[in-house]
Amino acid sequence: NAGVTQTPKFRILKIGQSMTLQCTQDMNHNYMYWYRQDPGMGLKLIYYSVGAGITDKGEVPNGYNVSRSTTEDFPLRLELAAPSQTSVYFCASSSFPWDEQYFGPGTRLTVT
Amino acid sequence: ILNVEQSPQSLHVQEGDSTNFTCSFPSSNFYALHWYRWETAKSPEALFVMTLNGDEKKKGRISATLNTKEGYSYLYIKGSQPEDSATYLCASRMDSSYKLIFGSGTRLLVRP
Repeated sequence: NAGVTQTPKFRILKIGQSMTLQCTQDMNHNYMYWYRQDPGMGLKLIYYSVGAGITDKGEVPNGYNVSRSTTEDFPLRLELAAPSQTSVYFCASSSFPWDEQYFGPGTRLTVT
Repeated sequence: ILNVEQSPQSLHVQEGDSTNFTCSFPSSNFYALHWYRWETAKSPEALFVMTLNGDEKKKGRISATLNTKEGYSYLYIKGSQPEDSATYLCASRMDSSYKLIFGSGTRLLVRP
């Protein structure tokens, strides 16, 4: 099993550009999550999904969108990149909401 | 607003020392407490998921306790080794929410 994979590993965006961060898991987990991690701060939940076709906002959803068309994939979309979105983004998944979460390797995004 | 606090922020110990750190969380509506270990340049990995007051978990030299009435959890490392150097994250879950609220972590450095 590859677990949770994320692409790209690094990306530099100009202000106003758009991009999609990809996340895929091969563990057949229903629950998937997107977090951002800023220096000195804990992981903040952006969006989560409880299954294909069902998504909901986390703590910091503004400026992001998600979709969940399959169990495996949970892409995160930035429509108009802003410097405040410079961060490290982690995707995670779990079998059940009370279970441990499995994290991907992260995407380091810089918006200039 | 749910705040999860971890202390200390960072800790330097000598190889062989035992150490512990604290995670504090609101005790009302408590559902679960997660501990994760996060090595530099890797992704967070689950150590424990704890739900019951008085629960104790152990994995090798690492153990954790939970007090849900007063809202804290301790993580203990016995005989620290350089490979224990990492950031240790705790996260709390309230009610049956799908959301984990993370603390900002305790960064442990074990000197050989």
